[in-house]
Amino acid sequence: NAGVTQTPKFRILKIGQSMTLQCTQDMNHNYMYWYRQDPGMGLKLIYYSVGAGITDKGEVPNGYNVSRSTTEDFPLRLELAAPSQTSVYFCASSYSWVAGGNQPQHFGDGTRLSIL
Amino acid sequence: DAKTTQPTSMDCAEGRAANLPCNHSTISGNEYVYWYRQIHSQGPQYIIHGLKNNETNEMASLIITEDRKSSTLILPHATLRDTAVYYCIVRVAADSWGKLQFGAGTQVVVTP
Repeated sequence: NAGVTQTPKFRILKIGQSMTLQCTQDMNHNYMYWYRQDPGMGLKLIYYSVGAGITDKGEVPNGYNVSRSTTEDFPLRLELAAPSQTSVYFCASSYSWVAGGNQPQHFGDGTRLSIL
Repeated sequence: DAKTTQPTSMDCAEGRAANLPCNHSTISGNEYVYWYRQIHSQGPQYIIHGLKNNETNEMASLIITEDRKSSTLILPHATLRDTAVYYCIVRVAADSWGKLQFGAGTQVVVTP
């Protein structure tokens, strides 16, 4: 299993450009998550999905959009890139979180994005 | 979710045990304690979790106090590859769709 795969690994964007960060997992996890991590800080949740066709906002959703058309893929879209979106973006997945559940999240290696 | 308090940083000598404390005095009865770590430039890695009982796996041991208000992650024989930021997170299982709330964590530096 490849686990969680994120592409690209690095990207530089100009202000106002748009792009899609790709995330795919091959573990048949139904929960998927997008986080961002600013320098020296912990991770903040952007969006999450509990299954195909179901997404919801996390802590810092402004400026981003997501879709979940398949179990495997959970792309993150930046429509109008701003310098404040310069960050490292991590995608994660897990099995269903059931009552009393304890399923750990598996993370990708991140996409390092700079907006200039 | 209960908040956690961890020291900002700590050093550990290679080959010795590293004991990482975490305070979660407002933890609820249905909240688990999770530990993740993040090695520089990589995604976070799950280490261990527990509810009430002490837990051990191939990576570490987790000791939870009887009142559950604090816990300690133990790396039994620290190596240079254990240098990382360690995050202690408490999670409610049922209502929050598995979302993790990361704090600043503890920067652990293992020295030769």
